[in-house]
Amino acid sequence: DGGITQSPKYLFRKEGQNVTLSCEQNLNHDAMYWYRQDPGQGLRLIYYSQIVNDFQKGDIAEGYSVSREKKESFPLTVTSAQKNPTAFYLCASRNLGQGAGELFFGEGSRLTVL
Amino acid sequence: AQKVTQAQTEISVVEKEDVTLDCVYETRDTTYYLFWYKQPPSGELVFLIRRNSFDEQNEISGRYSWNFQKSTSSFNFTITASQVVDSAVYFCALRGGTASKLTFGTGTRLQVTL
Repeated sequence: DGGITQSPKYLFRKEGQNVTLSCEQNLNHDAMYWYRQDPGQGLRLIYYSQIVNDFQKGDIAEGYSVSREKKESFPLTVTSAQKNPTAFYLCASRNLGQGAGELFFGEGSRLTVL
Repeated sequence: AQKVTQAQTEISVVEKEDVTLDCVYETRDTTYYLFWYKQPPSGELVFLIRRNSFDEQNEISGRYSWNFQKSTSSFNFTITASQVVDSAVYFCALRGGTASKLTFGTGTRLQVTL
């Protein structure tokens, strides 16, 4: 089945450690996105990429890094510079060929810093 | 700048009641797209509907209906005869015509009880 796969679903990290969240899609979508969700808040955009080997900062990029070496993969690294990394992280993708193309989301990764 | 406001943080209804979720948006784009997503307890966001700025027709899909009014910059969502399975967080979102980013509201948590 086509879709977006995020892993791991749950992740615990000690302070000072970097951690990488995986996002893979087999929808052949051009664009991929990472959002962060905190309780009682909407989704905030961290990074997005519209083409391989290119990505743009979103609204809250500080303390995060990404790469887009393959069209189907867009991993997110939460670095030790991120002051409050405990959150729910959602990866999404869409086809740029459609003007109003909606985002398709993965099931999310919940990161907890101990 | 784009902004989406969902003033209702949480709504509780009894099954079979009708409920309307409000969404007010701000954008300077003349062409834009509006979306509604549902987030059940599992966490994944499920796409419900999109609407183009040049199409003000209201839409009905089963028990769901959407009222788009450009004059008041609103895109409200009504569930008729609510069911327990409708319990979720609902997000309204906006994307400008040429933008790649999707701006989300803070969400409305709907609780439907027996």
